[in-house]
Amino acid sequence: LAKTTQPISMDSYEGQEVNITCSHNNIATNDYITWYQQFPSQGPRFIIQGYKTKVTNEVASLFIPADRKSSTLSLPRVSLSDTAVYYCLVGERNTDKLIFGTGTRLQVFP
Amino acid sequence: ETGVTQSPTHLIKTRGQQVTLRCSSQSGHNTVSWYQQALGQGPQFIFQYYREEENGRGNFPPRFSGLQFPNYSSELNVNALELDDSALYLCASSLDRGKSGELFFGEGSRLTVL
Repeated sequence: LAKTTQPISMDSYEGQEVNITCSHNNIATNDYITWYQQFPSQGPRFIIQGYKTKVTNEVASLFIPADRKSSTLSLPRVSLSDTAVYYCLVGERNTDKLIFGTGTRLQVFP
Repeated sequence: ETGVTQSPTHLIKTRGQQVTLRCSSQSGHNTVSWYQQALGQGPQFIFQYYREEENGRGNFPPRFSGLQFPNYSSELNVNALELDDSALYLCASSLDRGKSGELFFGEGSRLTVL
Protein backbone atom coordinates (compact mmCIF):
# COMPACT_ATOMS: atom_id res chain seq x y z
CA LEU A 1 0.00 0.00 0.00
CA ALA A 2 1.62 3.20 -1.16
CA LYS A 3 1.83 5.95 1.42
CA THR A 4 1.19 9.60 0.90
CA THR A 5 4.37 11.20 2.21
CA GLN A 6 5.47 14.66 3.20
CA PRO A 7 8.55 16.13 4.91
CA ILE A 8 8.17 15.83 8.66
CA SER A 9 8.98 19.44 9.44
CA MET A 10 10.07 22.75 7.95
CA ASP A 11 11.32 25.99 9.45
CA SER A 12 10.88 29.44 7.95
CA TYR A 13 10.99 33.12 8.81
CA GLU A 14 8.23 35.66 8.52
CA GLY A 15 7.80 37.04 5.01
CA GLN A 16 9.44 34.10 3.27
CA GLU A 17 7.84 31.76 0.75
CA VAL A 18 7.34 28.17 1.89
CA ASN A 19 6.87 25.21 -0.43
CA ILE A 20 5.66 21.89 0.95
CA THR A 21 5.59 18.84 -1.31
CA CYS A 22 3.43 15.76 -1.00
CA SER A 23 4.16 12.50 -2.80
CA HIS A 24 1.03 10.53 -3.72
CA ASN A 25 1.96 7.98 -6.35
CA ASN A 26 -1.23 5.93 -5.84
CA ILE A 27 -3.73 8.71 -6.38
CA ALA A 28 -7.13 7.91 -7.84
CA THR A 29 -7.54 8.98 -11.45
CA ASN A 30 -10.49 11.27 -11.00
CA ASP A 31 -9.89 12.65 -7.53
CA TYR A 32 -8.71 16.06 -6.55
CA ILE A 33 -5.75 16.93 -4.34
CA THR A 34 -6.60 18.99 -1.31
CA TRP A 35 -4.46 20.64 1.33
CA TYR A 36 -5.44 21.33 4.91
CA GLN A 37 -3.99 23.28 7.83
CA GLN A 38 -4.37 22.05 11.38
CA PHE A 39 -3.73 23.79 14.67
CA PRO A 40 -3.43 21.84 17.94
CA SER A 41 -6.72 20.42 19.23
CA GLN A 42 -8.65 21.70 16.22
CA GLY A 43 -10.06 20.08 13.11
CA PRO A 44 -8.21 20.52 9.82
CA ARG A 45 -9.08 23.63 7.83
CA PHE A 46 -9.25 23.77 4.04
CA ILE A 47 -6.51 25.70 2.25
CA ILE A 48 -6.69 24.87 -1.45
CA GLN A 49 -7.70 22.16 -3.90
CA GLY A 50 -6.71 21.27 -7.44
CA TYR A 51 -6.82 18.55 -10.08
CA LYS A 52 -3.88 19.44 -12.31
CA THR A 53 -1.51 22.26 -13.32
CA LYS A 54 -1.70 25.28 -11.03
CA VAL A 55 -4.36 26.71 -8.77
CA THR A 56 -4.13 29.95 -6.83
CA ASN A 57 -6.38 31.49 -4.22
CA GLU A 58 -6.02 34.34 -1.76
CA VAL A 59 -3.80 32.39 0.65
CA ALA A 60 -1.83 29.81 -1.35
CA SER A 61 -0.90 28.25 -4.66
CA LEU A 62 -0.96 24.59 -5.57
CA PHE A 63 1.30 23.12 -8.24
CA ILE A 64 0.47 19.71 -9.70
CA PRO A 65 2.64 18.07 -12.40
CA ALA A 66 1.11 16.26 -15.35
CA ASP A 67 1.49 12.79 -13.80
CA ARG A 68 -0.27 13.99 -10.61
CA LYS A 69 1.97 11.81 -8.45
CA SER A 70 3.00 14.75 -6.32
CA SER A 71 1.83 18.23 -5.47
CA THR A 72 3.40 21.31 -3.94
CA LEU A 73 1.66 23.76 -1.65
CA SER A 74 3.15 27.23 -1.82
CA LEU A 75 2.54 29.78 0.92
CA PRO A 76 3.77 33.11 -0.50
CA ARG A 77 4.68 35.17 2.56
CA VAL A 78 4.31 33.31 5.79
CA SER A 79 3.55 34.91 9.13
CA LEU A 80 3.81 33.62 12.68
CA SER A 81 0.17 32.55 12.55
CA ASP A 82 1.00 30.09 9.76
CA THR A 83 2.80 27.89 12.28
CA ALA A 84 0.76 24.69 12.06
CA VAL A 85 0.72 21.20 10.60
CA TYR A 86 -0.10 20.94 6.89
CA TYR A 87 -1.63 17.85 5.30
CA CYS A 88 -2.36 16.83 1.75
CA LEU A 89 -5.42 14.66 1.16
CA VAL A 90 -6.04 12.43 -1.85
CA GLY A 91 -8.35 9.65 -2.90
CA GLU A 92 -6.62 6.28 -3.28
CA ARG A 93 -6.74 4.54 -6.64
CA ASN A 94 -9.21 1.64 -6.99
CA THR A 95 -10.68 2.16 -3.53
CA ASP A 96 -12.99 4.64 -1.90
CA LYS A 97 -10.44 5.57 0.73
CA LEU A 98 -9.38 9.10 1.50
CA ILE A 99 -5.73 9.24 2.50
CA PHE A 100 -4.10 12.04 4.44
CA GLY A 101 -0.42 12.65 3.98
CA THR A 102 1.97 12.15 6.85
CA GLY A 103 1.84 15.86 7.69
CA THR A 104 4.43 18.64 7.71
CA ARG A 105 4.95 20.69 10.83
CA LEU A 106 5.78 24.25 9.76
CA GLN A 107 7.43 26.53 12.31
CA VAL A 108 7.63 30.21 11.41
CA PHE A 109 10.12 32.35 13.30
CA PRO A 110 10.14 36.17 13.71
CA GLU B 1 -16.86 28.06 12.00
CA THR B 2 -17.48 25.19 9.60
CA GLY B 3 -21.05 24.44 10.62
CA VAL B 4 -20.04 20.90 11.62
CA THR B 5 -20.61 20.06 15.27
CA GLN B 6 -19.43 17.02 17.17
CA SER B 7 -20.43 15.66 20.56
CA PRO B 8 -19.25 15.00 23.11
CA THR B 9 -16.07 17.07 22.96
CA HIS B 10 -14.28 14.94 25.54
CA LEU B 11 -15.03 11.61 27.14
CA ILE B 12 -13.33 8.93 29.17
CA LYS B 13 -14.14 5.23 28.89
CA THR B 14 -12.63 2.04 30.19
CA ARG B 15 -11.34 -0.87 28.17
CA GLY B 16 -14.11 -3.12 26.88
CA GLN B 17 -16.81 -0.46 26.95
CA GLN B 18 -18.68 0.91 23.96
CA VAL B 19 -18.86 4.50 22.79
CA THR B 20 -21.06 6.50 20.41
CA LEU B 21 -19.84 9.75 18.90
CA ARG B 22 -22.13 12.12 17.03
CA CYS B 23 -21.68 14.52 14.17
CA SER B 24 -24.03 17.11 12.77
CA SER B 25 -23.25 17.99 9.16
CA GLN B 26 -23.16 21.38 7.53
CA SER B 27 -26.55 22.25 6.06
CA GLY B 28 -27.01 20.81 2.58
CA HIS B 29 -24.15 18.31 2.78
CA ASN B 30 -24.98 14.68 2.01
CA THR B 31 -21.65 13.04 2.85
CA VAL B 32 -19.95 12.43 6.18
CA SER B 33 -16.53 10.90 6.74
CA TRP B 34 -14.88 9.92 10.02
CA TYR B 35 -11.20 9.98 10.97
CA GLN B 36 -9.12 8.82 13.91
CA GLN B 37 -6.19 11.02 14.87
CA ALA B 38 -3.81 9.68 17.48
CA LEU B 39 -1.63 12.16 19.34
CA GLY B 40 1.08 13.50 17.07
CA GLN B 41 -0.21 11.61 14.04
CA GLY B 42 -2.19 12.50 10.96
CA PRO B 43 -5.88 11.69 10.59
CA GLN B 44 -6.64 8.12 9.50
CA PHE B 45 -9.73 7.50 7.39
CA ILE B 46 -12.25 5.25 9.12
CA PHE B 47 -15.20 5.34 6.71
CA GLN B 48 -17.47 7.57 4.73
CA TYR B 49 -21.25 7.66 4.39
CA TYR B 50 -23.02 9.04 1.34
CA ARG B 51 -26.81 9.33 1.40
CA GLU B 52 -27.06 6.92 4.34
CA GLU B 53 -24.87 4.18 2.85
CA GLU B 54 -21.25 3.33 3.61
CA ASN B 55 -19.17 4.53 0.70
CA GLY B 56 -15.59 3.64 1.51
CA ARG B 57 -13.81 2.19 4.50
CA GLY B 58 -10.28 2.42 5.83
CA ASN B 59 -8.26 -0.25 7.62
CA PHE B 60 -10.34 -0.42 10.78
CA PRO B 61 -11.88 -3.56 12.32
CA PRO B 62 -15.64 -4.22 12.28
CA ARG B 63 -16.00 -3.02 15.87
CA PHE B 64 -15.87 0.45 14.31
CA SER B 65 -19.29 1.01 12.79
CA GLY B 66 -21.37 3.94 11.74
CA LEU B 67 -24.70 5.29 10.70
CA GLN B 68 -25.92 8.20 8.66
CA PHE B 69 -29.43 9.45 9.24
CA PRO B 70 -31.94 10.94 6.76
CA ASN B 71 -30.95 14.44 7.88
CA TYR B 72 -27.34 13.44 7.05
CA SER B 73 -26.11 13.61 10.62
CA SER B 74 -23.97 10.67 11.62
CA GLU B 75 -22.79 8.43 14.42
CA LEU B 76 -19.56 6.55 14.96
CA ASN B 77 -19.81 3.53 17.25
CA VAL B 78 -16.83 1.72 18.69
CA ASN B 79 -17.35 -1.55 20.56
CA ALA B 80 -14.98 -3.38 22.87
CA LEU B 81 -12.77 -0.37 23.39
CA GLU B 82 -9.03 -0.88 23.51
CA LEU B 83 -6.36 1.38 24.96
CA ASP B 84 -5.11 2.20 21.44
CA ASP B 85 -8.52 3.64 20.57
CA SER B 86 -7.58 6.73 22.58
CA ALA B 87 -7.52 9.50 20.00
CA LEU B 88 -9.22 12.57 18.58
CA TYR B 89 -12.12 11.48 16.38
CA LEU B 90 -12.92 13.91 13.60
CA CYS B 91 -15.89 14.03 11.34
CA ALA B 92 -16.14 15.99 8.12
CA SER B 93 -19.10 16.82 5.96
CA SER B 94 -19.06 17.47 2.25
CA LEU B 95 -21.09 17.42 -0.91
CA ASP B 96 -21.04 14.40 -3.18
CA ARG B 97 -18.48 12.16 -1.48
CA GLY B 98 -15.93 14.90 -1.06
CA LYS B 99 -13.58 13.80 -3.81
CA SER B 100 -13.91 17.01 -5.73
CA GLY B 101 -14.87 19.39 -3.01
CA GLU B 102 -13.90 20.72 0.34
CA LEU B 103 -14.29 18.69 3.51
CA PHE B 104 -15.59 20.72 6.44
CA PHE B 105 -14.29 19.37 9.72
CA GLY B 106 -15.69 19.55 13.20
CA GLU B 107 -13.46 20.21 16.18
CA GLY B 108 -13.42 16.56 17.16
CA SER B 109 -14.28 14.31 20.06
CA ARG B 110 -11.33 13.40 22.24
CA LEU B 111 -11.69 9.87 23.57
CA THR B 112 -9.51 8.54 26.36
CA VAL B 113 -9.63 4.82 27.09
CA LEU B 114 -8.30 3.74 30.48
